[in-house]
Amino acid sequence: EPEVTQTPSHQVTQMGQEVILRCVPISNHLYFYWYRQILGQKVEFLVSFYNNEISEKSEIFDDQFSVERPDGSNFTLKIRSTKLEDSAMYFCASSVSTEAFFGQGTRLTVV
Amino acid sequence: GQQLNQSPQSMFIQEGEDVSMNCTSSSIFNTWLWYKQEPGEGPVLLIALYKAGELTSNGRLTAQFGITRKDSFLNISASIPSDVGIYFCAGLTTSGTYKYIFGTGTRLKVLA
Repeated sequence: EPEVTQTPSHQVTQMGQEVILRCVPISNHLYFYWYRQILGQKVEFLVSFYNNEISEKSEIFDDQFSVERPDGSNFTLKIRSTKLEDSAMYFCASSVSTEAFFGQGTRLTVV
Repeated sequence: GQQLNQSPQSMFIQEGEDVSMNCTSSSIFNTWLWYKQEPGEGPVLLIALYKAGELTSNGRLTAQFGITRKDSFLNISASIPSDVGIYFCAGLTTSGTYKYIFGTGTRLKVLA
C-alpha cells in the first residue's frame, strides 16, 4: 500500500542551525502539506503546496520556513535558523483531493 | 481563526464497551475526516465524510456528518485494547485552497 515516507525519523540540532526535513509523498498525489505537533498538543497546519507553489500558509510559517519540491518525488521543509520552540513532531501529508495521508513524522529536537 | 473542539478530552473505558466522541466547529466544513494517532506515529485516516447527514461505517467505527455541517461524531463499538490512541477530527476547507484544520483530540484508553 502506498505511503508517505519521512526522513529522518529523529533529528537533534543546535539552536540557530538550519534543518531540512524530507518527505516522499504518495506518487500520484497533487497536494502536499506540512503540519507540526508540539508534544501533547494538537496537529497544527503549517503550509500547503500545489502546482509547485505554496497555496496557503499559517502564521507559524514565517520567513524562517520554506518548502521545496526539488524533483518529481521529494517535498522538503527547511527551517533556516532553528529556535528552541521549533522542537516538535513535523508531519508531511499528501492528497489527491479530499483525503490526506500522513507520514510517520520527524521528531525535531532543538537544543 | 477556525477552531474544532472535541469532547471528551479523554476517556477510560472497559474493553467491550462502546465509545462515542464528538467534534464541533464554529465554521462550516464540506468534508470531515477522522484520524487516529498512536504514540510516536502520524495520524492514520479512519473515515471521511462528504455530505451533511451522511453516516459512514468502517468496521467497528461509525461516523456522522452533522446536518448543520458544523459537527461530527465518531462511535466505536465493542472496544478492544488496540483502540487506544488519540482520535482527531479534521475539517477540510476548500475556499480556494485545501487545508485541514484539526480538532483538539480525544485520548482513549481501554482497560482490559
